[in-house]
Amino acid sequence: DIQMTQSPSSLSASVGDRVTITCRASQGVSYYLAWFQQKPGRAPKSLIYAASSLQRGVPPKFSGSGSGTEFTLTISSLQPEDFATYYCQQYYTDPRTFGPGTRVDF
Amino acid sequence: QVQLVESGGGLVKPGGSLKLSCAASGFTFSEYYMTWVRQAPGKGLEWISYISSSGTTIYYADSVKGRFTISRDNAKKSLFLQMNSLRAEDTAVYYCVRDYKEGAIDYWGQGTLVTVSS
Repeated sequence: DIQMTQSPSSLSASVGDRVTITCRASQGVSYYLAWFQQKPGRAPKSLIYAASSLQRGVPPKFSGSGSGTEFTLTISSLQPEDFATYYCQQYYTDPRTFGPGTRVDF
Repeated sequence: QVQLVESGGGLVKPGGSLKLSCAASGFTFSEYYMTWVRQAPGKGLEWISYISSSGTTIYYADSVKGRFTISRDNAKKSLFLQMNSLRAEDTAVYYCVRDYKEGAIDYWGQGTLVTVSS
């Protein structure tokens, strides 16, 4: 199975900050990498697929990059509604494993 | 708009069974792969099974293989997860999700809670 790691596991930020989260795969997954946002008590929301493509309705303050084994999610200017946990997931091969998550809070 | 509504969760004893359902609307259900993802309380996301649009291709994570069965009824626009031999570690919120391009997830249901406890 491909193992996914994320760094940092948590971070504290302020409104207006630029935030970057890194996701690494234990082996290459090409561009088959997605990002999700989850707020407490809510279902996850899909943000990005194919490493850098925004899902419909997702604001462009979110961006993704990378390929192979290293990927990043960037939030250009953090807003109050962006405080949440972010997960990456590879869907290059089965099982389609998730990263452990990165919590973004104040 | 796309909607996925799970049902069937609840409290079950270890070794028991439960069948989850997911009612889909707002899209042509028969054209999409569908997946179940779960999340134990306070933990991360775990991908557990997918089924192809026709139902002919199925995959299970090792953690549920041999105990869980995924199925679908395209005429009724419904996805199912039959869970047998349930264990305490199966306690989680179970999400029905739609697979988009090349296996990427785009839409999530609201989830249904399964609690396995004596």
